[in-house]
This record gives sequence, structure tokens and C-alpha cells, in this order.
Amino acid sequence: AQSVAQPEDQVNVAEGNPLTVKCTYSVSGNPYLFWYVQYPNRGLQFLLKYITGDNLVKGSYGFEAEFNKSQTSFHLKKPSALVSDSALYFCAVRVHSGTYKYIFGTGTRLKVLA
Amino acid sequence: NAGVMQNPRHLVRRRGQEARLRCSPMKGHSHVYWYRQLPEEGLKFMVYLQKENIIDESGMPKERFSAEFPKEGPSILRIQQVVRGDSAAYFCASSPGQSSYEQYFGPGTRLTVT
Repeated sequence: AQSVAQPEDQVNVAEGNPLTVKCTYSVSGNPYLFWYVQYPNRGLQFLLKYITGDNLVKGSYGFEAEFNKSQTSFHLKKPSALVSDSALYFCAVRVHSGTYKYIFGTGTRLKVLA
Repeated sequence: NAGVMQNPRHLVRRRGQEARLRCSPMKGHSHVYWYRQLPEEGLKFMVYLQKENIIDESGMPKERFSAEFPKEGPSILRIQQVVRGDSAAYFCASSPGQSSYEQYFGPGTRLTVT
């Protein structure tokens, strides 16, 4: 079955430190991968995507993600965390099974401590 | 260009009543997706629609749930005879077409069944 896993329910990091939010996937074919962020009582906002090309993808708000085909991972990273980065982060993969649809991970809550 | 609009933002229904959730996609977008988010869980795909067509409803419960996207007007997600287990946040996302990879999310409708 095609799936996305976010192994950490919560990640805590001190402000100014680098952060990593993990995501692994299991899909047939080439994956189209996405990261979204959700602030309280809001919809999801698109951060970045990997379709093809360079394995390091840069996105909004200083975030980047590294596609690793051998490890089937797409971890979200930021060199220096801000308190305002505290939110719920979702990894997603676009799959094709008859039609295109998106499978989301269960989300990782990032808490940046001042 | 207004974003994806959803209304109402909050909806309270008693068990057995009907709930109607509306989604107006971004201007120029003809593809709409509905997702359900239960507390502390990720988004679960429900249905994918284009104007006047249901493309994929594999995530919709077989009974009580229906969706439409008419030629004119918003997309509607309808839940008949609501039960407490229907309490969740329902998000709509739109895209201009399948060749566009990002989805743009609305702020969601939080349904509470009492």
C-alpha cells in the first residue's frame, strides 16, 4: 500500500538551533512529495515540493527538504529555528491510482523553545 | 485573488441533523478535494471533484455522505443524519488542474455534533 510516515509526533528544538522533521514514504513509481504547515485553526499552507531534479529543495520561510531515494525519505530542515515556526507539519505524497490523489502523513508538531 | 473560501467556519449540529459544508475554490481552479481531519490525526482524503463530475470518491463513507461541484456555485459536502463520530475539521483544497501539483487549502469547517 502507498503510504507516508512521520515517525515523530512532536519535535522540540531551541530557537536558533537547526531543526529536522522526518518523513518517509512508500509509493510505486517516482514520488511527488510535499510539505505543508498548519497553524492553529487554519488550513494547510504549502511549503515546498519535490517533483524531479535537485535532491535539495528550497521552500518558503527558509525551509528546505532533502529527497533521498535510497532511504525513501524527504526530511524537512531549517538551519536556524524561530519560535514562530512552531506549528503542525504534514508530509504528503501524490499518487496515481486511477486518478491523482494526495496521501498525508499524520503530522509532526514542532515546538520551538525560546 | 481570494484564496479558497469555506463556510461556515464552525458548525454545530445535533445528532440526526444534516450538515452542509461549502467550498469556493480559488478563481480559475476547477478541481476540488475534500479532506477530513480528526483531532490529533492527519488529513484523510474523502473525495475529488471537477465541475459537475465526481472523479474519485474512494475516501467517502458509503452512507450519509455526498459531495457535488455544480457548474455554478460552490462545492458542497453534505452529511445526512450526523453522528458524534462525524465531529471533525473538514478541509477543502483546490487546484487549477492535474498538471498543477500544489493544492491550495481553505481554512476548514469545524463540525461539532452534540
